[in-house]
Amino acid sequence: EVQLVESGGGLVQPGGSLRLSCGASGFTVSSNYMSWVRQAPGKGLEWVSAIYSGGDTYYADSVKGRFTVSRDNSKNTLYLQMNILRAEDTAVYYCARDLVGWGWFDAWGQGTLVTVSS
Amino acid sequence: QSALTQSASVSGSPGQSITIPCTGTSSDVGYFNHVSWYQQHPGKAPKLMIFDVSDRPSGVSNRFSGSKSGNTASLTIAGLQAEDEAYYYCSSFISSNTLVFGGGTKLTVL
Repeated sequence: EVQLVESGGGLVQPGGSLRLSCGASGFTVSSNYMSWVRQAPGKGLEWVSAIYSGGDTYYADSVKGRFTVSRDNSKNTLYLQMNILRAEDTAVYYCARDLVGWGWFDAWGQGTLVTVSS
Repeated sequence: QSALTQSASVSGSPGQSITIPCTGTSSDVGYFNHVSWYQQHPGKAPKLMIFDVSDRPSGVSNRFSGSKSGNTASLTIAGLQAEDEAYYYCSSFISSNTLVFGGGTKLTVL
């Protein structure tokens, strides 16, 4: 069974950093396209970042230069390093598997809440 | 990376059909045939309902269908059921291997 489990969310002050993890089971992270998608409280979905099976990474303009997506093949885990956090980064962060890299998110985690506030 | 445009809400009675439009531009919806639709119930993760404009993943009811005309994609739900009440989001692949979502449409089954 394909499963994704996020962790690492919490309360952080503006300007601070946080690293999210997404552990996968039932498939190999490094062989798939993986993305992070966030949802601010009461708002819609926003694509954040992707890492392709070949290792190429992509980011939304809103997080470029502040967020870094990576993976640990030995742990079958996806990460999102978030630096210089802003209040507008407050959201539930989901990791998702993209079947072919065109936005076919067929598997999602349960999400982890990040709150940026002083 | 401007969000795709969706109406805030739509409603219908059980058994009826409804259509949710998703409007983009000639750089996203109008250019790529990589439009997906997601269903999200409150407090839950999204679920893929349609990919590549009109294809359905295994296990998704054939009451759900997708189409596209020009810069506007649409999700149609036939034979509305109570469990269809949820938020629906469209998304489109865009250039530079990035993605954009719509603002979401709340479907109310009366």
